[in-house]
Amino acid sequence: KQEVTQIPAALSVPEGENLVLNCSFTDSAIYNLQWFRQDPGKGLTSLLLIQSSQREQTSGRLNASLDKSSGRSTLYIAASQPGDSATYLCAVRREGNNRLAFGKGNQVVVIP
Amino acid sequence: IAGITQAPTSQILAAGRRMTLRCTQDMRHNAMYWYRQDLGLGLRLIHYSNTAGTTGKGEVPDGYSVSRANTDDFPLTLASAVPSQTSVYFCASSNGQGPNTGELFFGEGSRLTVL
Repeated sequence: KQEVTQIPAALSVPEGENLVLNCSFTDSAIYNLQWFRQDPGKGLTSLLLIQSSQREQTSGRLNASLDKSSGRSTLYIAASQPGDSATYLCAVRREGNNRLAFGKGNQVVVIP
Repeated sequence: IAGITQAPTSQILAAGRRMTLRCTQDMRHNAMYWYRQDLGLGLRLIHYSNTAGTTGKGEVPDGYSVSRANTDDFPLTLASAVPSQTSVYFCASSNGQGPNTGELFFGEGSRLTVL
């Protein structure tokens, strides 16, 4: 069974600092990995999707890397802003399986 | 862009009552999913459907049923609600074509309280 871990559960950073969020998974036979953002009381918003053949994806201030062999993905958010405060979740889809395994998320607070 | 629409947004329900949560997507995605999200437990898959006419069980299917009569709709039914089914329920869908194959999209959630 795929286990997805996100540590720490919560963190605070001052505005302007770069954010680094880590996601680790136990089974490297993945199809893709997806990062989401969730604001309180809201649904999940897709941020970046990395296919298993890719090493990274970028969108604006966001960059996500994938290292399948070590079972890790990292989400970088450059020059953090208070509006980046949210919970960030990663999810992994196994090869040949239409279901995702989710981490429990990193709750981020960016302090003005 | 509508995406995924869930209804109701929130509901308080007496134990033992039957409840159907509705989910409609307008993206023509083949696969649809129901998750529940609980504090400390994260997101757990209840049921899924790979394509219209087929359904499958996820991690926590007991007490829930689904149907997939067409591509767009994927209702979740609680036959006889119990307090442990108090949760936030999310419907999601994913595509199967193009460079972002398998990208998952979520609705805004339905908050259900069973008393």
